[in-house]
Amino acid sequence: GAVVSQHPSRVICKSGTSVKIECRSLDFQATTMFWYRQFPKQSLMLMATSNEGSKATYEQGVEKDKFLINHASLTLSTLTVTSAHPEDSSFYICSAAGIRNTGELFFGEGSRLTVL
Amino acid sequence: GENVEQHPSTLSVQEGDSAVIKCTYSDSASNYFPWYKQELGKGPQLIIDIRSNVGEKKDQRIAVTLNKTAKHFSLHITETQPEDSAVYFCAASTSRGGGSNYKLTFGKGTLLTVNP
Repeated sequence: GAVVSQHPSRVICKSGTSVKIECRSLDFQATTMFWYRQFPKQSLMLMATSNEGSKATYEQGVEKDKFLINHASLTLSTLTVTSAHPEDSSFYICSAAGIRNTGELFFGEGSRLTVL
Repeated sequence: GENVEQHPSTLSVQEGDSAVIKCTYSDSASNYFPWYKQELGKGPQLIIDIRSNVGEKKDQRIAVTLNKTAKHFSLHITETQPEDSAVYFCAASTSRGGGSNYKLTFGKGTLLTVNP
C-alpha cells in the first residue's frame, strides 16, 4: 500500500514557541491531504483540508492563524502550530488522497506534540 | 453533515471468539465506508473498506457488511487473536469528485480487547 510519513513522531516544546510537522507521501502523489487532531481515548477530529497549490480549508472552530497549513508540492504538506500552548498538546495525524481518486486515504503514523 | 455512530465503545472477547462492531451513518449520499485499526501511539491503519455498490466484503478473518437501506455497516472479526487488540474506527465519506469530497467522518471508536 501507499506510504505516508510524518515527522517528527514526537516533539516537546516550550509554551509560546512554534512547531512544524511534516507529512510526506513517499510513493505516490497526493492531491489532497487532511490534518486531524486526536485527544486521548477520542476519535480523530478533522482540522483542515489542504490541496496542493491552494489555501487550506479549515473546519469550523479551528483557528487558521494558529494552525498554519502549507501544501507546496504533491508530496509534502506541513502543519505549523504557532505560539503553542499546553492545550495544543495532542496527537496530530495527517492523511493523503492519491490522484487515482478512489476515495481511499492513507494515514501517517502521527505526531505527538507536548507543550510545556 | 454526516454523523457516524459506533457501538460498542468497548468490547472484550476471548481468543478464538468472534467480534462484531456496528456503525450507523446519517447521510444517504455516503458511498465509501472504511474501517481502521489504531494501535496505541500510532496512526490509523486501513484494514478493510466497502463501497455502496457492494453488500459484503471479506478478507481472511475480517468481513464488512453494508445495509444501505438501514444506513448501517458492521465489522466482523472471526477467530480473534490477542494481536487484534486495538481501537477500531469506522468512517464514512462521499468519494465523488475527488479532493475534499474524501473527507472522512469517523465513529468514536471501539476498544477491542482479546483475552488469551
